[in-house]
Amino acid sequence: GQQLNQSPQSMFIQEGEDVSMNCTSSSIFNTWLWYKQDPGEGPVLLIALYKAGELTSNGRLTAQFGITRKDSFLNISASIPSDVGIYFCAGRPNSGYALNFGKGTSLLVTP
Amino acid sequence: SQTIHQWPATLVQPVGSPLSLECTVEGTSNPNLYWYRQAAGRGLQLLFYSVGIGQISSEVPQNLSASRPQDRQFILSSKKLLLSDSGFYLCAWSGQGESPLHFGNGTRLTVT
Repeated sequence: GQQLNQSPQSMFIQEGEDVSMNCTSSSIFNTWLWYKQDPGEGPVLLIALYKAGELTSNGRLTAQFGITRKDSFLNISASIPSDVGIYFCAGRPNSGYALNFGKGTSLLVTP
Repeated sequence: SQTIHQWPATLVQPVGSPLSLECTVEGTSNPNLYWYRQAAGRGLQLLFYSVGIGQISSEVPQNLSASRPQDRQFILSSKKLLLSDSGFYLCAWSGQGESPLHFGNGTRLTVT
């Protein structure tokens, strides 16, 4: 499948700071999704985006589906220690069923 | 509500031994089902997906196979494990169309 470029690879921040991460692709996607994975567990869906330009929030999390359909970003405001984990972007191509995943952004939050 | 169960949670198997990982979904019918592998380095690699009973698509040629004997049951198998089969195996389901994937809690497989 198409490779998704997710950045940054890791982030080390202090509690209360805002966080921003993004994903880009060389191909267009119909769906962009953001997941969080805690150690030893499966990824959990945070936000799903279905339309170009769509901006969606889930509590302190905000994500946008890029207008070109080739990128998406996730922002976390006022980070807390439980935000620690690996965040994955995922996109569904114009055809097919399965998702392509980015390589993840590892987030560490210090109190 | 829909739930996904995956077992076992951890497994240690010798090289050359067979493998069977099972995944079941409750609370939905005719789901799309998926097996992903997550190796060190975090990336999720799609191994198999299924859109119906007996319908399996393989994304990567390898030592593994998948079967879907019932609508909500997905099995990952191997006849002879290799060291390179070690990893974290994730089962997932989705509804039709553009529905997101929902993952199980994974199986940590160590081949020794």
